[in-house]
Parts: sequence; structure tokens; C-alpha cells
Amino acid sequence: QKEVEQDPGPLSVPEGAIVSLNCTYSNSAFQYFMWYRQYSRKGPELLMYTYSSGNKEDGRFTAQVDKSSKYISLFIRDSQPSDSATYLCAMSGRDDKIIFGKGTRLHILP
Amino acid sequence: SQTIHQWPATLVQPVGSPLSLECTVEGTSNPNLYWYRQAAGRGLQLLFYSVGIGQISSEVPQNLSASRPQDRQFILSSKKLLLSDSGFYLCAWSPPIPPLSSYNEQFFGPGTRLTVL
Repeated sequence: QKEVEQDPGPLSVPEGAIVSLNCTYSNSAFQYFMWYRQYSRKGPELLMYTYSSGNKEDGRFTAQVDKSSKYISLFIRDSQPSDSATYLCAMSGRDDKIIFGKGTRLHILP
Repeated sequence: SQTIHQWPATLVQPVGSPLSLECTVEGTSNPNLYWYRQAAGRGLQLLFYSVGIGQISSEVPQNLSASRPQDRQFILSSKKLLLSDSGFYLCAWSPPIPPLSSYNEQFFGPGTRLTVL
């Protein structure tokens, strides 16, 4: 079983829709849960991170962590064409090593 | 503010040729430095990381090597490229000491797209 599983997509949704992106993981030692956004031919940039379980909201973005189910989600409300990108989930424990998911390609259709 | 540079942006090399990719960071001291490779359908794979000059840890055994000759310079090399070395190479940095009770964010450079023919 891979440490982090993420559906690669692509996921296409109409503008204004709510987007749900998910990852599962197997290592119970993970404490930090991150979402990176990567535009085509660019480096990833941190979108949000959450420590342990719970929700975190930042504007149109909400990150959720369910440690009991080893499941994390990113919700995007009122999706915009500029949200079209690859979204990578990532996790780390007490060290600085980050394990990334493969990324989900998201297309927001105008 | 801190910035991270990578060059070249794109590179096309024949099989068996050498490789040298460079990464430099500005605006910080003693950063942790990382080399990742992003291949199609395989996600981001950590190749090397460094906590200081001359200190390199390898995560994946392969025909690549890394060096850190200066505090803010990280170089990825190969003596002979393989077809399987094609991919998007990303350099990243993080502060030497993470913020208290917080995630030690890694900041990525713009990447180098390498095609081995």
C-alpha cells in the first residue's frame, strides 16, 4: 500500500461549482497535512496546511483532515477558471520529509 | 524576501551525456535544500536533501548525485544520463529551524524540464 493515494483525474467542473479533492494515507505518524497548487510548467506553491485533525478555512478554500479514517479533503467553493491547476496533497511527520500525492489535475470550465 | 532560482529552465540531452542543474536561494541563511523529480504519473519524488554545506542525504539510489558547495547553492549532477532521467526537476528550500509548533514549509523553485533522448 502506497503511503499517499490521490486520484490523478483529470477532474472537469463548470465555473461556480464546488470542487472536492481527496487523498488517503496509511502512515498514522503524519501530523501535518498540506495542499499544494501547481500551475502548468511551474513549481508547486503551498495553498493550505492543517495540523492534526479538523477543518481550516481560507477564503474559498477549506481543508479537512480525518485522522481516524486517514482521509484528507480540499474543497473549493465558487470555483474559477484561474483555479485550473494540479493540486497535490502532501503530508509529513516530525521530520521535514514530505510525502506527496501524485496530484489531481483540475479543469474549471468557463 | 527570499527567492529561489533554477537553471536552465529546459534542457534536452542525449542519453549518456552529463548533467548539471543549479539551484540558488537568496534572502536566507543556512536553508535546508531539496531536489525533487516529478515524472508523469508518478508525483513528486525526493531525490536529495541537505542541511548544510557538504551535507547531502540521498533518498533514492540512482545515477544522480548532488553537491552543496556553498550555503545557498545546490547542484544536481549525473555523469551519464539515462532515458528514465527525463522529468521535471524541482529545487526547494525550507528554514533551518521550523516555526514553533508549525509546519516547516518548503518553497519550490520554477523547475527544470529535462528531456533525455
